[in-house]
Amino acid sequence: AQSVTQLGSHVSVSEGALVLLRCNYSSSVPPYLFWYVQYPNQGLQLLLKYTSAATLVKGINGFEAEFKKSETSFHLTKPSAHMSDAAEYFCAVRYNNNDMRFGAGTRLTVKP
Amino acid sequence: NAGVTQTPKFRILKIGQSMTLQCTQDMNHNYMYWYRQDPGMGLKLIYYSVGAGITDKGEVPNGYNVSRSTTEDFPLRLELAAPSQTSVYFCASTAVYRGNTGELFFGEGSRLTVL
Repeated sequence: AQSVTQLGSHVSVSEGALVLLRCNYSSSVPPYLFWYVQYPNQGLQLLLKYTSAATLVKGINGFEAEFKKSETSFHLTKPSAHMSDAAEYFCAVRYNNNDMRFGAGTRLTVKP
Repeated sequence: NAGVTQTPKFRILKIGQSMTLQCTQDMNHNYMYWYRQDPGMGLKLIYYSVGAGITDKGEVPNGYNVSRSTTEDFPLRLELAAPSQTSVYFCASTAVYRGNTGELFFGEGSRLTVL
């Protein structure tokens, strides 16, 4: 079965440090890939998406993600964490029109 | 710009009661979805619809029903509520067509507690 795996349910970084959130998916065919962010008591908002135009994708709020086909990965990074980045982040993969799979989520904590 | 609107935001039900979660979107999207979110489990697809009059089951459909009489509305009905249905429910929509990545637009969620 198709699956999306996010390594680490909780990640804690200091303000100003690098943020790295990991996502791996199961597929031999590059699907559409997304990262969403969820702030407390809110719905999910799109951070960025992979559309096959470029392997390095830039999103909002300084986040970016790199698609690596050989590793079936789509890790999310941000060079310098800000307190406002504290939220839950979800990796999602669209395998076909009807099937958008989500990872279990990674809660990011940013320490002052 | 409303986007995807869900009501109610919060609800407490007793075991065995029934209720409907409402979802409406104003973006003329053809696809709509209902997900449930449980801690540490990500989002699980309950039902989806590819257009008015067409619905299908997702991963976890038991205990739920849906209908899609219009493009805009996609209500989710819970029959005979059980404690296992305590969750946060999200409605989402997207436009699916050739060349579109089909990212989802989400409502703000409905938190349901069954006691």
